[in-house]
Amino acid sequence: GAGVSQSPSNKVTEKGKDVELRCDPISGHTALYWYRQSLGQGLEFLIYFQGNSAPDKSGLPSDRFSAERTGGSVSTLTIQRTQQEDSAVYLCASSLRGLAGGRNEQFFGPGTRLTVL
Amino acid sequence: GENVEQHPSTLSVQEGDSAVIKCTYSDSASNYFPWYKQELGKRPQLIIDIRSNVGEKKDQRIAVTLNKTAKHFSLHITETQPEDSAVYFCAASIGAGKSTFGDGTTLTVKP
Repeated sequence: GAGVSQSPSNKVTEKGKDVELRCDPISGHTALYWYRQSLGQGLEFLIYFQGNSAPDKSGLPSDRFSAERTGGSVSTLTIQRTQQEDSAVYLCASSLRGLAGGRNEQFFGPGTRLTVL
Repeated sequence: GENVEQHPSTLSVQEGDSAVIKCTYSDSASNYFPWYKQELGKRPQLIIDIRSNVGEKKDQRIAVTLNKTAKHFSLHITETQPEDSAVYFCAASIGAGKSTFGDGTTLTVKP
């Protein structure tokens, strides 16, 4: 079946512009994560959506970052007034919330490479 | 919240040798511990996972061990091959809740 998809795959923008990154999770997956990964670095957690619960926004680095998940499916990560330090690969992942004790595997999308000039 | 520490940050081994990566976690309620492999330029993918009711799990050349008392778990790769070269991430979560990742280990297998 279809995996997690993200668009665009690459985005080049000028400093100060706003950008929107899209994530289409696997159908039926209730959990959705956004991560940021700079070159050669680890996975920096940004935000977590689980079903209809309030999202966990504890990883968002500043108020320039926001994310929505409409209808429990597609998610959009918005970065306002982009800065050069925002340049990174933005990864989305989804997982199926199973019964207690079940597998909690995250399926990652291919990422969006953001370059802020 | 949960805190996961991963060591070492880089690891270089000779082909055929074993590699061990260790992670510790802080929340004793965590009960699901996956390991992900990220090859260069690719997305992370799950390679093995373990739940807290199991002490060890093996899948061919890879194994994971869990010590709940000490709150640490380890990834073991035996008979390493060049294609094992990648970044490995551990993670911990409480059931189906939010996962917390370690900072990753870059494994290099020298032929």
